[in-house]
Amino acid sequence: SQTIHQWPATLVQPVGSPLSLECTVEGTSNPNLYWYRQAAGRGLQLLFYSVGIGQISSEVPQNLSASRPQDRQFILSSKKLLLSDSGFYLCAWNEVQKNYGYTFGSGTRLTVV
Amino acid sequence: GESVGLHLPTLSVQEGDNSIINCAYSNSASDYFIWYKQESGKGPQFIIDIRSNMDKRQGQRVTVLLNKTVKHLSLQIAATQPGDSAVYFCAENLSGGYNKLIFGAGTRLAVHP
Repeated sequence: SQTIHQWPATLVQPVGSPLSLECTVEGTSNPNLYWYRQAAGRGLQLLFYSVGIGQISSEVPQNLSASRPQDRQFILSSKKLLLSDSGFYLCAWNEVQKNYGYTFGSGTRLTVV
Repeated sequence: GESVGLHLPTLSVQEGDNSIINCAYSNSASDYFIWYKQESGKGPQFIIDIRSNMDKRQGQRVTVLLNKTVKHLSLQIAATQPGDSAVYFCAENLSGGYNKLIFGAGTRLAVHP
């Protein structure tokens, strides 16, 4: 069966520090991968999506970047965090060419101080 | 369009009552719809889905209704329980391409004893 792993679960980082959040999917190949951000009490904002290794599309301009170095690995990064980067970050995947919904990871709560 | 910056509307119900959560979707070409449940501090979880060739689908205690004429989706929860308290998101799938899901703003369901 397919599983999605996301870590760390919580993270407190000072302003100006770098960020690396990792997401991996098991049990499938060539998944579509997504990074979402959710502010407290708000909806889901799509940040990046990837349909293959090295293929990254950005939905909104921001202080973050994403990379997909391997088929089932999706990384969210920042060189210098801002206070506004605080939020709940969710990774998700679905299968290419199948009309299925996304499966979400458990999320990372990032607090920039 | 996206409404990620808005506070979530809240639906308050008594335990044992039926709940109805509504959602208006944006694209008449969407062919697949999903409801997600998100508990506090967790990633959204799949509840039920429906394809555009149907107008009703039932699960365990949940029913999704689709009205394509007015682009409206609803989630009905029978005999609402305290464990149903969560944020509920609808999502529509724009067919073609990489199956991008468009999420609604979300509704917070508060169940009172």
